[in-house]
Amino acid sequence: GAVVSQHPSRVICKSGTSVKIECRSLDFQATTMFWYRQFPKQSLMLMATSNEGSKATYEQGVEKDKFLINHASLTLSTLTVTSAHPEDSSFYICSATRRDRPRLNEKLFFGSGTQLSVL
Amino acid sequence: ILNVEQSPQSLHVQEGDSTNFTCSFPSSNFYALHWYRWETAKSPEALFVMTLNGDEKKKGRISATLNTKEGYSYLYIKGSQPEDSATYLCAFYNYGQNFVFGPGTRLSVLP
Repeated sequence: GAVVSQHPSRVICKSGTSVKIECRSLDFQATTMFWYRQFPKQSLMLMATSNEGSKATYEQGVEKDKFLINHASLTLSTLTVTSAHPEDSSFYICSATRRDRPRLNEKLFFGSGTQLSVL
Repeated sequence: ILNVEQSPQSLHVQEGDSTNFTCSFPSSNFYALHWYRWETAKSPEALFVMTLNGDEKKKGRISATLNTKEGYSYLYIKGSQPEDSATYLCAFYNYGQNFVFGPGTRLSVLP
C-alpha cells in the first residue's frame, strides 16, 4: 500500500521560532497534498491544499504568511509554522492522493502526524 | 459550513461483542463518503470509499452501509477484537468541496 512519511512526529519549540514539518510519499506520486490541524477532541480541520508546482490554496481563516506550504515535487510537501506562538500548539497531519487513480474512488493516504508544542 | 457528525463519541465493548456507529452528513451534492481507522501513534488507514446510495461494503468483520438520501452511514464490527481498538473517522466529500471529517468514534475493545 501507499505510504506517506511525516516528520517530525513531535516537536517542542520556543515562542517565536519557526518549525518545518515534512510529508513525503514514499512509493507513489502525490498529485495533491492536504494539510490538517486537529485540536483535542475536535475533528481534523483542513488548513490548505497543495498541488505540485503551484501555490497552495488556503481555507478561510488560515493565515498564508503564518503557515507556509511548499509542494516542490510530486513526493514532498512541507508546512512551515512561522514565528510559532503557544496558540499554534496543535496536532498537524498531512494526507495525499495518488496521481494515477480516478478521483471518484480515490482514498487518502495519511502521514502519522506531528504534535507541536510551543512554549 | 458543512457539518459531519459521528456518534457515539466513544464506546467500550467486550471482546466478541458486535458494535456499530453512525456518521451523519449533509444529503445534498453527495459525492463520496470515506471511513478511516486511526490507531494510536499510526496513520489513519482507509477502510471504505462509498459512492452510491445503498452501497454496502465489507472487509473481514467490518462492514458499512450508505444512505445518501437521508445522509447517514453505519459502520459495523462483528465479533470485536482488541486489535479493533482505534478511532474510526468518516469523511464526507461533495461536489466542489474538499473532505470534511467527522470528530471520530473512539472504540475500545476490552479483552
